[in-house]
Amino acid sequence: EAGVTQFPSHSVIEKGQTVTLRCDPISGHDNLYWYRRVMGKEIKFLLHFVKESKQDESGMPNNRFLAERTGGTYSTLKVQPAELEDSGVYFCASSQGARSSYEQYFGPGTRLTVT
Amino acid sequence: GIQVEQSPPDLILQEGANSTLRCNFSDSVNNLQWFHQNPWGQLINLFYIPSGTKQNGRLSATTVATERYSLLYISSSQTTDSGVYFCAVGRPFGNEKLTFGTGTRLTIIP
Repeated sequence: EAGVTQFPSHSVIEKGQTVTLRCDPISGHDNLYWYRRVMGKEIKFLLHFVKESKQDESGMPNNRFLAERTGGTYSTLKVQPAELEDSGVYFCASSQGARSSYEQYFGPGTRLTVT
Repeated sequence: GIQVEQSPPDLILQEGANSTLRCNFSDSVNNLQWFHQNPWGQLINLFYIPSGTKQNGRLSATTVATERYSLLYISSSQTTDSGVYFCAVGRPFGNEKLTFGTGTRLTIIP
C-alpha cells in the first residue's frame, strides 16, 4: 500500500510568487492534515480536512494560505504571494479516523525556499 | 494547550554508542508518536505508542502515560541515525491535531 505522497519534494521561488503544494493521502483515509516546520522551530499544525470539509483551520497563519481538497481525495496548499518567512518544510499527514487517538501517517514533506 | 518538552535538545555521540531521548507532556494523551527528521528534511514515522513498549530493530520506545513521559532508545548508533527526533501527542478531547515537541538534534560522529 502506498504511503502519503507529496509533490514537489523541493520548490524554490522568489518572494511574491505563488506556489502550490500537493498531498495525496493513503487511499481510504478521510482525514488529511497539513503541518509545517519553519525557521528550525517545532512542527506546527496548519489545518485538518475530513473528506472535502475543513474541520479545523486554526493553525493557518494568514490569508495568503489557501488549502483545498476537492472531491475528498488529494489536497493542495497554495501560498500566494509567498514571503521569506514562509520558507520551511511542509508536511501532510492522513489518518483513518477523525479522533486524535488514530495514528497519523506523514509524508516526506515539501521543502519550500523563498528567496 | 498541552506542553511537550524534549530532552536533551542536542546530543552528540560516537558511532556505536547507545542513546535515550525523553519526551515529557503536561496533560493526558491518547496518541503519542515518534518521528525522525533526516538531514534532507523528510519526516520518518518511527513509532505510534500511546502506551506500553515497542521495538523495531535497533530502536525501541516506551510510554508511561500515567507519568506523562515517553522514551526513545537507540542502540548501536549509526551515522544515518543523525537528524532531529520529534515526539508528538494528541489529546483525548477537542481537536484532532498533533502537538509536537521542540525536538532532539542527534549527531552521530563516525
